Amino acid sequence: EPEVTQTPSHQVTQMGQEVILRCVPISNHLYFYWYRQILGQKVEFLVSFYNNEISEKSEIFDDQFSVERPDGSNFTLKIRSTKLEDSAMYFCARTKASGEETQYFGPGTRLLVL
Amino acid sequence: ILNVEQSPQSLHVQEGDSTNFTCSFPSSNFYALHWYRWETAKSPEALFVMTLNGDEKKKGRISATLNTKEGYSYLYIKGSQPEDSATYLCALLHGSSNTGKLIFGQGTTLQVKP
Repeated sequence: EPEVTQTPSHQVTQMGQEVILRCVPISNHLYFYWYRQILGQKVEFLVSFYNNEISEKSEIFDDQFSVERPDGSNFTLKIRSTKLEDSAMYFCARTKASGEETQYFGPGTRLLVL
Repeated sequence: ILNVEQSPQSLHVQEGDSTNFTCSFPSSNFYALHWYRWETAKSPEALFVMTLNGDEKKKGRISATLNTKEGYSYLYIKGSQPEDSATYLCALLHGSSNTGKLIFGQGTTLQVKP
């Protein structure tokens, strides 16, 4: 199974600060996703990304969030001004194709907003 | 709102016991169902992607069945071992797009006692 890596593994930040979460790509994986799990809740979809564009985003993914894959390098999720309720485990996932293909998940970044 | 439910929420069994748990989902617009195994501090590990009604898949002592007409999938573990202790997540591929958005259940946490 392809290994998916994310950095950092943990991040603590102050409310209102910007954070950038990173996901290391695999060259033949074209579709990228961000999910998050708030403690005690279900894993929820944030955004999907294909061909350097957002394919779909959830209503959680408001103007405070952005994603990019600069120069074909790391796939990043930026939260511009963190809120307490952004504290969660953030997972990156990748797949070779959409639909029925397996989505491979990273180990997650635990974000704590104080 | 598309809702995926898993039961039970948690399960404690003795080593050697066989166990099973359920994932329920709306049967309309079905595309695929994913099962994942998630150990703390690790990446969710893909177990199965199931697409056809009546499908049955197996990986070692773990197997899964799918009934798309009635909207459920069962995951079975034969002869549970302590290393099977994890949270088992099912996720429905959202049927209205090809972007690969997964809708997760809340998970079943399995604890196998030696």
